[in-house]
Amino acid sequence: AQTVTQSQPEMSVQEAETVTLSCTYDTSENNYYLFWYKQPPSRQMILVIRQEAYKQQNATENRFSVNFQKAAKSFSLKISDSQLGDTAMYFCAFMKYGNYGQNFVFGPGTRLSVLP
Amino acid sequence: ETGVTQTPRHLVMGMTNKKSLKCEQHLGHNAMYWYKQSAKKPLELMFVYNFKEQTENNSVPSRFSPECPNSSHLFLHLHTLQPEDSALYLCASSQGYDVQETQYFGPGTRLLVL
Repeated sequence: AQTVTQSQPEMSVQEAETVTLSCTYDTSENNYYLFWYKQPPSRQMILVIRQEAYKQQNATENRFSVNFQKAAKSFSLKISDSQLGDTAMYFCAFMKYGNYGQNFVFGPGTRLSVLP
Repeated sequence: ETGVTQTPRHLVMGMTNKKSLKCEQHLGHNAMYWYKQSAKKPLELMFVYNFKEQTENNSVPSRFSPECPNSSHLFLHLHTLQPEDSALYLCASSQGYDVQETQYFGPGTRLLVL
C-alpha cells in the first residue's frame, strides 16, 4: 500500500519570502502521479500542481514549483513570493496509474501561515 | 465559487437518524466523488461515479449509501452512523474519470454525529 508523509504539521513564512513544504511517499510503483492541493480556511480545496512520475522536469505553476526526486521518493513544494492568500492547509497526494480507489492517497497536511 | 455546491453546510444528527448530503455541480462534468476529511486521518476517497455509474467503492461501510441520479447530482445517504463518522464530507467533480482531469471541490458538509 502507498503512504504519503508530510513531516511538517505547521509552518509559517513572512509575506514575500519563499517557503518549501516537504512530502515523501512510499511506493513500489514506477508510474504514478503526485499532487499538491491547497485548502484555504473555510474555502474549497483546489489543485495547486501536478507531477507525472515519468517526467523528469519539475512542474511549475506561476509562483509554485516542485522538486521531484523520484529515487528519494520526495516531492516538495516551493512557494515563491508568498502572499497572504497562500495561507491554507496543503496536502500532498499520490496516485498510481489505474483506478482511483485505494490508489489515491493523501498526506496528513501542512498548515501554512503567511505572516504580514 | 468553483461550481460545486454542497448542502447542508453543517449537520448534526443522532446515531439513529437518517439524513442525506447533497452535491450539485454546474460545470458539465461527468465524474463525481465523495471524500471524508476527519481530524485524525488523512483525506479519504469514498466513492467515485462516472456517467452516473459507481466505479469505485473504497471499502466504505454500508451505513453510507451513495446515489447519483444524473451527472450533475450526487447524494450521500446516511443511516445509523457512529460518532467516529463525524467529519467534513467533501464532494468533487471532474470532466472525465481520468487522473489527468482536475477535480473541483465543493465547500463540504461538516457532520457531527452524537
